Amino acid sequence: DAGITQSPRYKITETGRQVTLMCHQTWSHSYMFWYRQDLGHGLRLIYYSAAADITDKGEVPDGYVVSRSKTENFPLTLESATRSQTSVYFCASSEGSGGDIGTQYFGPGTRLTVL
Amino acid sequence: DQQVKQNSPSLSVQEGRISILNCDYTNSMFDYFLWYKKYPAEGPTFLISISSIKDKNEDGRFTVFLNKSAKHLSLHIVPSQPGDSAVYFCAATGYDAGGTSYGKLTFGQGTILTVHP
Repeated sequence: DAGITQSPRYKITETGRQVTLMCHQTWSHSYMFWYRQDLGHGLRLIYYSAAADITDKGEVPDGYVVSRSKTENFPLTLESATRSQTSVYFCASSEGSGGDIGTQYFGPGTRLTVL
Repeated sequence: DQQVKQNSPSLSVQEGRISILNCDYTNSMFDYFLWYKKYPAEGPTFLISISSIKDKNEDGRFTVFLNKSAKHLSLHIVPSQPGDSAVYFCAATGYDAGGTSYGKLTFGQGTILTVHP
């Protein structure tokens, strides 16, 4: 199916482990984003990418690493997971920036629990 | 510093009545605003948007109003249906002082809408 997918949908890990969340989109959108959703905070931007090999920090980047070697993929890695990174993670993509081409389309989310 | 605020965590309305969800922003460089709807265990889905050159945009039962002087926008749903029960997020984007588009959205905390049959 076309669209934006995330894997895994659910993940339980332990403190200190490395975890990678995958995001794949089939629209050839230039922009891709990673958010986390926590109660009382809405959606907070972790990292984003304007194109392959171009990434930048968002509001809450500490403890996360991203890469974008291909336009369609944007993996998010927690290098050493902490309990505070327990959250629901959403990937999104957009055709461009600004106005209606900046409208972002979201994946189904990954629920991560760090024990 | 919360640049986009949804001050009502929840809203309950009767089926068939109007639902009004509110959002305030502080950044005067925001020039495009969006509403997203989110069901449990799903990602947010785009609902409706408005540019700062307009003060109203309609799409079926959904209308967004923008008051730039008050830095306030609202989403009206008429008539409300039980299937509208979800979390609604407002979001904003804009340009920096150099004219470069942010390319990023800033989200509010969300409002849980419950529509009772």
